[in-house]
Amino acid sequence: DTGVSQDPRHKITKRGQNVTFRCDPISEHNRLYWYRQTLGQGPEFLTYFQNEAQLEKSRLLSDRFSAERPKGSFSTLEIQRTEQGDSAMYLCASSPSGDSEKLFFGSGTQLSVL
Amino acid sequence: AQSVAQPEDQVNVAEGNPLTVKCTYSVSGNPYLFWYVQYPNRGLQFLLKYITGDNLVKGSYGFEAEFNKSQTSFHLKKPSALVSDSALYFCAVRDVGGRLAFGKGNQVVVIP
Repeated sequence: DTGVSQDPRHKITKRGQNVTFRCDPISEHNRLYWYRQTLGQGPEFLTYFQNEAQLEKSRLLSDRFSAERPKGSFSTLEIQRTEQGDSAMYLCASSPSGDSEKLFFGSGTQLSVL
Repeated sequence: AQSVAQPEDQVNVAEGNPLTVKCTYSVSGNPYLFWYVQYPNRGLQFLLKYITGDNLVKGSYGFEAEFNKSQTSFHLKKPSALVSDSALYFCAVRDVGGRLAFGKGNQVVVIP
């Protein structure tokens, strides 16, 4: 499968714990995005990378959230001291440099904070 | 910021009938508009986009969308709906920095 893959598919954690999600984009895509989606809403932009550079972060991304893409390939999204309001589907997408608005999404990581 | 609105929560249509999913936009400047579809347990998939040119844009799976500047709309259409078209449909607009701003989505139910 050469699509965008995300791991894990589901994560259940207790409030206050740290969690980390991984995204492997399509290999030749240089842009990588993180979005968050809650029930009944469309995806909300969190942050994006061009190669290893993080170019933009949403105001939704509090200090507890950090994302990295160290070698311009896979990316990780870490949430520290999770809160119940962090429960959502976290989506990763990638796009090629020649068509940056055509996003290819992974299936997401569903986070439940108890 | 650029935004889109999808006024309906759910669209029900009989199989074989025309399908329309509505989207209106609010932008400064020229809009870059998109439709994505989300099937159960699958990631969002790109359907089509409007950048410039012909107001009728053709996309994947027999879908098309009509850009209407005077009505600030970008409705998604399919002449004859299939049961397999039942899914969640999202309209999106290019926002600052090249990111996409999505609408809340429309659930489409095609009734056999």
